[in-house]
Amino acid sequence: EVQLLESGGGLVQPGGSLRLSCAASGFTFITYGMSWVRQAPGKGLEWVSSIHGGGGSTYHADSVKGRCTISRDNSKNTLYLQMNSLRAEDTAVYYCARTRGWIPWYFDYWGQGALVTVSS
Amino acid sequence: QSVLTQPPSVSAAPGQKVTISCSGSSSNVGNNYVSWYQQFPGTAPKLLIYENNKRPSGIPDRFSGSKSGTSATLGITGLQTGDEADYYCGTWDNSLSASYVFGTGTKVTVL
Repeated sequence: EVQLLESGGGLVQPGGSLRLSCAASGFTFITYGMSWVRQAPGKGLEWVSSIHGGGGSTYHADSVKGRCTISRDNSKNTLYLQMNSLRAEDTAVYYCARTRGWIPWYFDYWGQGALVTVSS
Repeated sequence: QSVLTQPPSVSAAPGQKVTISCSGSSSNVGNNYVSWYQQFPGTAPKLLIYENNKRPSGIPDRFSGSKSGTSATLGITGLQTGDEADYYCGTWDNSLSASYVFGTGTKVTVL
């Protein structure tokens, strides 16, 4: 059974940093791309970042480019999102999702989400 | 602001059919696969349709997807109270800021 478990969310001040983790199990992690998708309170889904299985290629949304970095440790079956210079508009539930396609075509499994709140 | 436009809401009685449109452009829907996601309040999204019209294992055939030109459509037949949820389309966008884009989302209400 595919399982994705996010951790690392919490309250952070504007300008601060946070690293989200997503522990994966139930599939061969290195053979799948992975992504982060977020959802602000009461809003729709917003794609944040994606990374290939080998970690060699990454994609980031313009809204986080230069502030967020997606990475993965295939030896630990874990996906990360390092977020810096956080702003109030980054407040959202962050989902990790298994990703299909060389560029992201679709997301077939999702974690339960981690809430990030940016506030002073 | 999403580049994929969906109606904010659709509704129908139990047993009826609803369709949800997803309107985009040649840089996204027109030239890439579309997927659809179902989301209940407070829970993670779930994949319903991928590659325009394919259903993952376990998704009933009451759910269907189609695409024509720069628009895609999700259909739900035999509507059930358990189908009340938010629905999002999504696809890759090949424009200058290459990115994955989601639709604005549609709330399905069973009357």
